[in-house]
Formats: sequence, C-alpha cells, structure tokens
Amino acid sequence: EAQVTQNPRYLITVTGKKLTVTCSQNMNHEYMSWYRQDPGLGLRQIYYSMNVEVTDKGDVPEGYKVSRKEKRNFPLILESPSPNQTSLYFCASGAEQYFGPGTRLTVT
Amino acid sequence: GQQLNQSPQSMFIQEGEDVSMNCTSSSIFNTWLWYKQDPGEGPVLLIALYKAGELTSNGRLTAQFGITRKDSFLNISASIPSDVGIYFCAGQPWSEKLVFGKGTKLTVNP
Repeated sequence: EAQVTQNPRYLITVTGKKLTVTCSQNMNHEYMSWYRQDPGLGLRQIYYSMNVEVTDKGDVPEGYKVSRKEKRNFPLILESPSPNQTSLYFCASGAEQYFGPGTRLTVT
Repeated sequence: GQQLNQSPQSMFIQEGEDVSMNCTSSSIFNTWLWYKQDPGEGPVLLIALYKAGELTSNGRLTAQFGITRKDSFLNISASIPSDVGIYFCAGQPWSEKLVFGKGTKLTVNP
C-alpha cells in the first residue's frame, strides 16, 4: 500500500530535549516536505527536499533541521525544542503532496 | 510569499444540502488541488486539476480549474454527515512549490 508514515504519532517532551520525528514514504517520490499546522494559521511549510541531499527552507524553518540521506526517509529534527513548537506536524511526499497521519508534539 | 484566499472559513449546513467553496489568488497557477482533513488525521487528496477550465468529479465532489487560472471551486452535492472536516485548496505556480489555503471547516447537521 502506498503510504507516508510518521513516528511517533504523539510526543510530549520538555524544553531543550532534542527530538527527531521520522518520516518514510514507499512511493519513490523525489519531493518531500514538512509542515506544521496551528489553529487559524493553516499549513505552513517548514522544510522541503527536492531529492537526496537537497534540502531547502520553507516558510517557517527556524528551530528545525532536516536531512535527506535516502530517498524514502526525511526526518525532522528539533535540536532544542521550545513551547512555541507545540503543534501538529505533517510529512508529505510527491508533487501532489500525499500526507502522513501527523505527529502531535507538545513541548512543556 | 504567495497567498491563497479560501472562502468561506466555515460552513454549517443541513444533511442533504449542496456545498460550494472556492479559492482565489492574485497569481496564475498551473495546478489546483483539493484536500480533505478529518479530525486527527492528515489531509487526503480529493481532486487534482491541471488545465484551465477543467471540471473533474470524484463521486459527489466536483472541482473546477478557473478559466483565468487564478481560482478554483469545489462543490459537494447532497452532503452527508461523513463530509464533516476541513477542506483545503492548494495551488502551484509554474515550477514552484504548492501554496495552501487556510481551509474551510464544514459541519453537517443530521
């Protein structure tokens, strides 16, 4: 089954504790991206990747890192999470952006 | 960056009614996409449009790519309770990344 998977689905952490949210797709897509969704602000793109080893900033990249070492994986890294990064995060792949199920992150 | 104006922001309708929502842009887009997001889930692609004037249906859903290339419409006929959710439009300028609207929240009263 063609899909985008994210882990974990839910995460509660404390300020400053590094975390990684994984994203994997099995559709051989070159384009992948990360979004955060906040009430009233819609979907905002954090980072995107056009292909392996090619990443670029989206609209709200501050406080986030990404890597693309393999085509199928595109992890999102928060080196020092802060409460304002509490949000619902989505990974998506493909030109038409097929979305994963989401990761709800709470930073206390 | 580019912005899409999606309207209405929310709709409250009775089961069986038809629904219409739209997105407009000041820029020309080459692709229009419509998604639905159920509570607690990721957005799911409903319809993709690639040509100006294109009209595409997916069951009770019909979407159109505006002839000016600056707008798109989504219609839902004979709404049912499971149509509840947030509907997003997204447009793609030539060779650039997708731009998303802020969504239309649909509530259907049985």
